[in-house]
Amino acid sequence: ETGVTQTPRHLVMGMTNKKSLKCEQHLGHNAMYWYKQSAKKPLELMFVYSLEERVENNSVPSRFSPECPNSSHLFLHLHTLQPEDSALYLCASSQDLRTSGSFDEQYFGPGTRLTVT
Amino acid sequence: RKEVEQDPGPFNVPEGATVAFNCTYSNSASQSFFWYRQDCRKEPKLLMSVYSSGNEDGRFTAQLNRASQYISLLIRDSKLSDSATYLCVVNGRYALNFGKGTSLLVTP
Repeated sequence: ETGVTQTPRHLVMGMTNKKSLKCEQHLGHNAMYWYKQSAKKPLELMFVYSLEERVENNSVPSRFSPECPNSSHLFLHLHTLQPEDSALYLCASSQDLRTSGSFDEQYFGPGTRLTVT
Repeated sequence: RKEVEQDPGPFNVPEGATVAFNCTYSNSASQSFFWYRQDCRKEPKLLMSVYSSGNEDGRFTAQLNRASQYISLLIRDSKLSDSATYLCVVNGRYALNFGKGTSLLVTP
């Protein structure tokens, strides 16, 4: 059992729907991340929040909108997605670089498997 | 050039075999290195950190060659339960960068 939880675990949505993915970490970390994992592709970093501030947006389309209300919670709001957005969306957390002085390991949640129809 | 490159495999080995995975990274300024393991349809989990002097954790040995920007993982006495995808991981500017992974299948 990891200290990072994600809901829902599975989501099927139409292209016109709006939905949100939720992530919560119980590890006392202050950095959180969204990754996308498609079949046969490496993990793609989408967003990084450090001390509740977004520090990286990796050229992600605006139909994905992150939100980090506090250091324990991270959301990914989805709207007007495309079928190619179907993937496993993984949330991770770690200690922030500025806090720990180095890149600590990241702990992942179980992911949300998203299917866009 | 990709930030982290790995041979995707698959590596099919019998139980008890020794198997080695290699990885190269592009950013010479990288400072943190890890191996993660990912089981089918599960999230990645940390296997071990990789230190400059090399390090060992039971049957697993990791090596780092900064001059060649090369990382390796050696698994001795393979078990059926070692079957998974092994991800080479190197820090980027704000987060960790993951390789595509090397698939290992250990057979009876």
